Amino acid sequence: NAGVTQTPKFRVLKTGQSMTLLCAQDMNHEYMYWYRQDPGMGLRLIHYSVGEGTTAKGEVPDGYNVSRLKKQNFLLGLESAAPSQTSVYFCASSFHGDQPQHFGDGTRLSIL
Amino acid sequence: EDKVVQSPLSLVVHEGDTVTLNCSYEVTNFRSLLWYKQEKKAPTFLFMLTSSGIEKKSGRLSSILDKKELFSILNITATQTGDSAVYLCVGSGYSTLTFGKGTMLLVSP
Repeated sequence: NAGVTQTPKFRVLKTGQSMTLLCAQDMNHEYMYWYRQDPGMGLRLIHYSVGEGTTAKGEVPDGYNVSRLKKQNFLLGLESAAPSQTSVYFCASSFHGDQPQHFGDGTRLSIL
Repeated sequence: EDKVVQSPLSLVVHEGDTVTLNCSYEVTNFRSLLWYKQEKKAPTFLFMLTSSGIEKKSGRLSSILDKKELFSILNITATQTGDSAVYLCVGSGYSTLTFGKGTMLLVSP
């Protein structure tokens, strides 16, 4: 049972490039989340989804887009990467919004 | 604005000590408070608390919630080096999740 899988694990981008981070979960969870974690800031919610075909903004959504075309996948896109988006990105999923979340191992993204 | 404040931000103890981590919260339409442990990678779930005064235990870890005073504590007894991690407190509202910045615990041998 894989749980929550994030790909890629590491990536270096140049300013202005675009990329998509993939999150896949095999627990049939309804809710999925994307966070970024920066030193001294804790985990901050970027976007989340309460079910297939739905997305909603979190605390820090600017510069990111998301899609949930299939229940098991939640994609995070950066259309034009900026150095301020250098961070560790975590995906998580849960059965419901107030249930414990299962986290992926994170994606370390550096933007030069 | 919802907020979750953890204290201390960091803590160094010796193996065998008992530690108490604190979490205060202000969360609109509060539903539950969760504790996670984060080592090198992903946070892992420890406890979810929804009712005041009921202690939850898992081995040497325990936690309790006070909904009147809006805080929770996480206790770790007989600490081990494997307890070294960042401990995250999360307040869950009706449609929100607010993370604290975490307490970094270092247990020295």
